[in-house]
Amino acid sequence: AQTVTQSQPEMSVQEAETVTLSCTYDTSESDYYLFWYKQPPSRQMILVIRQEAYKQQNATENRFSVNFQKAAKSFSLKISDSQLGDAAMYFCACTTSGTYKYIFGTGTRLKVLA
Amino acid sequence: GAVVSQHPSWVICKSGTSVKIECRSLDFQATTMFWYRQFPKKSLMLMATSNEGSKATYEQGVEKDKFLINHASLTLSTLTVTSAHPEDSSFYICSARDFRTLNEQYFGPGTRLTVT
Repeated sequence: AQTVTQSQPEMSVQEAETVTLSCTYDTSESDYYLFWYKQPPSRQMILVIRQEAYKQQNATENRFSVNFQKAAKSFSLKISDSQLGDAAMYFCACTTSGTYKYIFGTGTRLKVLA
Repeated sequence: GAVVSQHPSWVICKSGTSVKIECRSLDFQATTMFWYRQFPKKSLMLMATSNEGSKATYEQGVEKDKFLINHASLTLSTLTVTSAHPEDSSFYICSARDFRTLNEQYFGPGTRLTVT
């Protein structure tokens, strides 16, 4: 069975600073994908970044990047130059080929301080 | 591209009645759709997976007779909450998988259900 763990219920960051959200996962599959989703107050799930497990290179999307440590089963999200609009719940998710089901972590609420 | 809509966005119903929520993929064919339930300040809990033309697969603990799922076409899945009770009040989110993008799911905006 897959599990996804987010150990930080809440994080705060000063505007323009950098913050890292942690996520660890466990899966016995070799072919899997990892995602970070943002859920603002509107509750619409927004894809932030994705990582294919077979790729060694860490994914990057503008101010968002991941630190993917496959051996440690760690998948942290770094947000650089934080903006007020980054304030939201962030969910880490894992899925495997075959079931395509997402297993979500419990989420981290990010507050951005002006 | 990859837009998923849900209707209604908010519904209030009386206890004992049934309510249907629609999930549509607007610009792609969704071979698989998923239904989630989310309680306030909690994570998404997968309720069921539906494949077009097949019976839905429910997660453990989800009552399939209460939460009826139909996936009659490649662009439409429906969730019917039967004989709703106040404890069914929640936020329901659907997602759809585009077979071309393999493992990524696209999420609808959600439906807030309040049972009085």
